[in-house]
Amino acid sequence: GEQVEQRPPHLSVREGDSAVITCTYTDPNSYYFFWYKQEPGASLQLLMKVFSSTEINEGQGFTVLLNKKDKRLSLNLTAAHPGDSAAYFCAVSAWSNNRIFFGDGTQLVVKP
Amino acid sequence: EAAVTQSPRSKVAVTGGKVTLSCHQTNNHDYMYWYRQDTGHGLRLIHYSYVADSTEKGDIPDGYKASRPSQENFSLILELASLSQTAVYFCASSDADTQDTQYFGPGTRLLVL
Repeated sequence: GEQVEQRPPHLSVREGDSAVITCTYTDPNSYYFFWYKQEPGASLQLLMKVFSSTEINEGQGFTVLLNKKDKRLSLNLTAAHPGDSAAYFCAVSAWSNNRIFFGDGTQLVVKP
Repeated sequence: EAAVTQSPRSKVAVTGGKVTLSCHQTNNHDYMYWYRQDTGHGLRLIHYSYVADSTEKGDIPDGYKASRPSQENFSLILELASLSQTAVYFCASSDADTQDTQYFGPGTRLLVL
C-alpha cells in the first residue's frame, strides 16, 4: 500500500522566515494530496487540497508544490508567524478509493 | 455548526473494560472513518464504512470493532481495552461522489489505565 514519508519531524524558525515541509509518497496512482494543520488539542483543519494535474497552489501565506515525477509534495510557509505554530500533516489518496494515507507530521514552532 | 461530532471528548477506562466511542455527522456523507493518533505521529485508519450496516477493516483493526447503524452514526468499540489503546481517536466523513476531502471531528482522548 501507499507509504508516505514526511520530513522534518520538528522544525523551528524565526518569525518572518520561511518554513518548508516535504512529503514523499510511493504510489504513482496517487491523485489527491492534502495538507492539514493541527493546533494543540484540536482536530485537523484542511489547509489545501491539490490535484495531480496542478503543480503550484498558493494559499494564504503558503505555497504547495507537487512534483509527480519525484512523487514529492511540499508545503512552504513563506513568512511564518507565531500563529503558524502547529503540527502539519500531509495526506495522499488514490483515485480509486476513499482511503487517504497520512505522514507522521511536522511540529512547527515559530519564535517571535 | 460542527458537522462531525464525537462523544465523549475524553475518557478514562480500565484495562479489560469495554469502551464505546461515538461519532455523528450531519454532512450527509456516505463514508465514515475511525483513526487513531499516537503522540508525535500521523493518523492510522482503524475501520471505515461506506454504507449503513456495513463496515470495513482499515490498517490497524485488531482489538477494535465498528458499527454503522445509520448513515449519520458510526461507533468504535473496544471490547477489552488495553494500555496500548491509549491514544486520541478521530472520526471523519467524506462524500463518495467526490472521493476526496475528509472532514474530521474534534477527537476523543482515551486513557486506558
